[in-house]
Amino acid sequence: SQQGEEDPQALSIQEGENATMNCSYKTSINNLQWYRQNSGRGLVHLILIRSNEREKHSGRLRVTLDTSKKSSSLLITASRAADTASYFCATDNDYKLSFGAGTTVTVRA
Amino acid sequence: DTEVTQTPKHLVMGMTNKKSLKCEQHMGHRAMYWYKQKAKKPPELMFVYSYEKLSINESVPSRFSPECPNSSLLNLHLHALQPEDSALYLCASSQGGTPQHFGDGTRLSIL
Repeated sequence: SQQGEEDPQALSIQEGENATMNCSYKTSINNLQWYRQNSGRGLVHLILIRSNEREKHSGRLRVTLDTSKKSSSLLITASRAADTASYFCATDNDYKLSFGAGTTVTVRA
Repeated sequence: DTEVTQTPKHLVMGMTNKKSLKCEQHMGHRAMYWYKQKAKKPPELMFVYSYEKLSINESVPSRFSPECPNSSLLNLHLHALQPEDSALYLCASSQGGTPQHFGDGTRLSIL
């Protein structure tokens, strides 16, 4: 079942710009994850942030987590054409992943 | 290339046909999953196998029948599907519950 909302639903940016997307969830969590899905492909795990962490970095990715607001954000810096994809946040509960609605990011050359 | 391999990539079948989707992983993962994804929607969990035993069935109709012959293989048997079952079917595996590694899916069309 879908865990929560993501916004924006779609985002179009110029190459080199930053992209920020937000995720809200409904229940308490152990961790929150972000996945990327390129068109016609499966999902690729990007980053996991635990409930006791507030911020995490991985390469050009920065994730924040605010458990009091039940929200998370994903920032992609210096975007590239290859970042064009759909991005999903997900919470897990005992092997069950629940995904947000997703944000479709288009990076224009 | 993904480490979870799904076959076939595309499948077209009639509502009276019987077919199977296959998934294989050689990462030694002990949990395997089936998801259904409709266009422009997030994946929805269908089944979870843990140590080759079915541990979660998300109230999936019986026309979908999962099977886990061994720790590397996962099948999804299809019978008497409906047009609304047309979707991308994704397989995933994990060592614990997370993170999950996904295959590229089978795109299924029901005529």
